[in-house]
Amino acid sequence: DGGITQSPKYLFRKEGQNVTLSCEQNLNHDAMYWYRQDPGQGLRLIYYSQIVNDFQKGDIAEGYSVSREKKESFPLTVTSAQKNPTAFYLCATEGQGTQQYFGPGTRLTVT
Amino acid sequence: SQQGEEDPQALSIQEGENATMNCSYKTSINNLQWYRQNSGRGLVHLILIRSNEREKHSGRLRVTLDTSKKSSSLLITASRAADTASYFCATDRFYSGNTPLVFGKGTRLSVIA
Repeated sequence: DGGITQSPKYLFRKEGQNVTLSCEQNLNHDAMYWYRQDPGQGLRLIYYSQIVNDFQKGDIAEGYSVSREKKESFPLTVTSAQKNPTAFYLCATEGQGTQQYFGPGTRLTVT
Repeated sequence: SQQGEEDPQALSIQEGENATMNCSYKTSINNLQWYRQNSGRGLVHLILIRSNEREKHSGRLRVTLDTSKKSSSLLITASRAADTASYFCATDRFYSGNTPLVFGKGTRLSVIA
């Protein structure tokens, strides 16, 4: 957790609605990541950004979008095109080395 | 794509016993990391071992790396109920430059008091 905040902790949405998950960091790290975690599973990479105004697709980018307008912020939008959006979403940053620092996560439920 | 695979998927032990978790990976790496996740929380970095290291210690944690077998193990000695969590290994990709870590599916450890 530490210098990474994710809000809200729990989020409920109706099917067909877009929803944006917030991730803010005060660690001054360049790289930021979004992961999805399903019950009993590992982390799957959605999008990542290594520098402001630039980002790359991860392994499961379909149905998601991101922006990186500020170093401190990397919001993730879950669009209506994402077929199974209900999951636990984790944001992480990375400093000089490859160690990653994680936020507390947002649990999204879409019904 | 999954690079690391942990084994076993779940492990249940008594407090005071040692817990050993294994991670296997597929391609060459620069380093391997272990993370811990308490239920419903974010991951916390435990330890990093470089490809030229064979063993590393941190408190009650001991990590080994065998690059010839493409495997690593995490040993937690004298386990406590508070060690109950999921443990993940994560690897980089040696030939891919500055690319993201790849996480395994994790081992769920239950330490019974």
